[in-house]
Amino acid sequence: GESVGLHLPTLSVQEGDNSIINCAYSNSASDYFIWYKQESGKGPQFIIDIRSNMDKRQGQRVTVLLNKTVKHLSLQIAATQPGDSAVYFCAEKGNYGGSQGNLIFGKGTKLSVKP
Amino acid sequence: DADVTQTPRNRITKTGKRIMLECSQTKGHDRMYWYRQDPGLGLRLIYYSFDVKDINKGEISDGYSVSRQAQAKFSLSLESAIPNQTALYFCATSGGSAITGELFFGEGSRLTVL
Repeated sequence: GESVGLHLPTLSVQEGDNSIINCAYSNSASDYFIWYKQESGKGPQFIIDIRSNMDKRQGQRVTVLLNKTVKHLSLQIAATQPGDSAVYFCAEKGNYGGSQGNLIFGKGTKLSVKP
Repeated sequence: DADVTQTPRNRITKTGKRIMLECSQTKGHDRMYWYRQDPGLGLRLIYYSFDVKDINKGEISDGYSVSRQAQAKFSLSLESAIPNQTALYFCATSGGSAITGELFFGEGSRLTVL
């Protein structure tokens, strides 16, 4: 039969506030993580990445936090702007059986920024 | 000009028709990928190729085939399209670092199968 798409988790924030987007990853053997931003009608674009030997990495207005103990990844966006409205995907990578070293993507979170 | 170009960007077809989606890249990357995106399901890997002579099945390869015609070209075919193949398809490339692995995506090809 036909598959039915799931509703995306949605985060709505006020312009100027900080945003935190969370992601739980599946495999403790994953050693590289990446966040992508996908604007409407476009392909995903790289935001920031982090290797498993780090627990924090900062970019321009963005910070990624990695908690390997609970297999949790978060993306923090400072001073959120209307241009940050998009779907955000986390992805994990590890050279373990079945993954073949490819990125495995989460289902995404939709961020909406209210002016 | 885009580094990863997909054609067509939109296509409507009927059940049973053969469809080819094409991807070309100017990044000089060896690795190319085809993903499918469905609402609420994220990106799922269909096929990937690490060089011209290498083709590998991904998570959801049934009903699809690919051809790596050159380093810069990777096409996805649906031999006999069915409605549940209606989706947004993305081609991506990677420089193939063993440690990292950023993917560079095209703009997507929206396929509707009636």
